[in-house]
Amino acid sequence: DTAVSQTPKYLVTQMGNDKSIKCEQNLGHDTMYWYKQDSKKFLKIMFSYNNKELIINETVPNRFSPKSPDKAHLNLHINSLELGDSAVYFCASSQADSGYTFGSGTRLTVV
Amino acid sequence: SQQGEEDPQALSIQEGENATMNCSYKTSINNLQWYRQNSGRGLVHLILIRSNEREKHSGRLRVTLDTSKKSSSLLITASRAADTASYFCATIPDGNTPLVFGKGTRLSVIA
Repeated sequence: DTAVSQTPKYLVTQMGNDKSIKCEQNLGHDTMYWYKQDSKKFLKIMFSYNNKELIINETVPNRFSPKSPDKAHLNLHINSLELGDSAVYFCASSQADSGYTFGSGTRLTVV
Repeated sequence: SQQGEEDPQALSIQEGENATMNCSYKTSINNLQWYRQNSGRGLVHLILIRSNEREKHSGRLRVTLDTSKKSSSLLITASRAADTASYFCATIPDGNTPLVFGKGTRLSVIA
């Protein structure tokens, strides 16, 4: 069983479209995250949710809207996609003071 | 904002040799973690060392932490071709902030 699963794995879309990425964890962790990895492999936190509540919202355009229907799911919706949004997006989860478990990533390409 | 800086950025060694990667960070921390990322895959948690610990071992991995110098090192002994990956250090600054990643070290182990 995959601990943190995100779908889709690849997403190719045109500028201006709206898309969603889904993430689910079956570890019972309280906290979930979205990270963005750019072309230089730099990982930057976007959002952090604890038990469905938003606790961290870094400087991210408001075209990005996370939604957590329950503590096992954290989805990311992106409106009006731009070329600069092309990146790999990782979902992760953690519990208390432990290491993070990452999903395998969603490679988003905006054309 | 970026917290850690890994050194070197890239490292190429022969199978069987030891690989040492260093990480420096800027602020006080709760703990420091090392992750591995194989090409095109998600990040895998390797080891966590708390601010009151100085050294930790896990199999062929040895991590040291020097909080006075704000630095850590990851040693992989008897490297194998399968160790080829990017290695990231990441810190939990004091408080509730999520993991902040460095830029990573690309390790190539040549068979």
